[in-house]
Amino acid sequence: KNQVEQSPQSLIILEGKNCTLQCNYTVSPFSNLRWYKQDTGRGPVSLTIMTFSENTKSNGRYTATLDADTKQSSLHITASQLSDSASYICVVRGYQKVTFGIGTKLQVIP
Amino acid sequence: GAGVSQSPRYKVAKRGQDVALRCDPISGHVSLFWYQQALGQGPEFLTYFQNEAQLDKSGLPSDRFFAERPEGSVSTLKIQRTQQEDSAVYLCASSLVRGGNSNQPQHFGDGTRLSIL
Repeated sequence: KNQVEQSPQSLIILEGKNCTLQCNYTVSPFSNLRWYKQDTGRGPVSLTIMTFSENTKSNGRYTATLDADTKQSSLHITASQLSDSASYICVVRGYQKVTFGIGTKLQVIP
Repeated sequence: GAGVSQSPRYKVAKRGQDVALRCDPISGHVSLFWYQQALGQGPEFLTYFQNEAQLDKSGLPSDRFFAERPEGSVSTLKIQRTQQEDSAVYLCASSLVRGGNSNQPQHFGDGTRLSIL
């Protein structure tokens, strides 16, 4: 069964600090991997997308990495801001199916 | 606005009632997706349209769930004889090109929060 597992489930960090969120997947065949940010009560918003040949992709303070051999991805957030508080969802697309992780709930505190 | 619009934002219904949830995708977007998101979980795929054609409905949990997109733009998700386990946020997403292996991102609406009493 195609699965996407994220860790940690939740995380609290101080404003200004960095953090890294993890995503492991078993989806096969693999097409692409996206990271989404979902604010409370809102729909997910795409942050990055990576295909098989891409190892890293940046979007401002967000940097995603992908190791297609080990089927692992990470999302690194630099110099966190209060507005980064949200759930971060890893989404893996296979041949025709999209599988969502349950997300990591990040809280940035002053 | 230019984003995906869903209505209503909140819906409360009694068990056994029928409900209809509306999605207005971004103009010109070919693909439209419906997802169900339970509290604290990631979205779960329900169904996918390419224009007016429903190409994948494998995620619909039962025959009480029905979706349509008759003119290839607005879509409606209907749930008949609602049950308490139907309580969730229903998200709609659209993307510019066809699904499958597309690298185009899905643009999500803010969802309809459905509560069944």
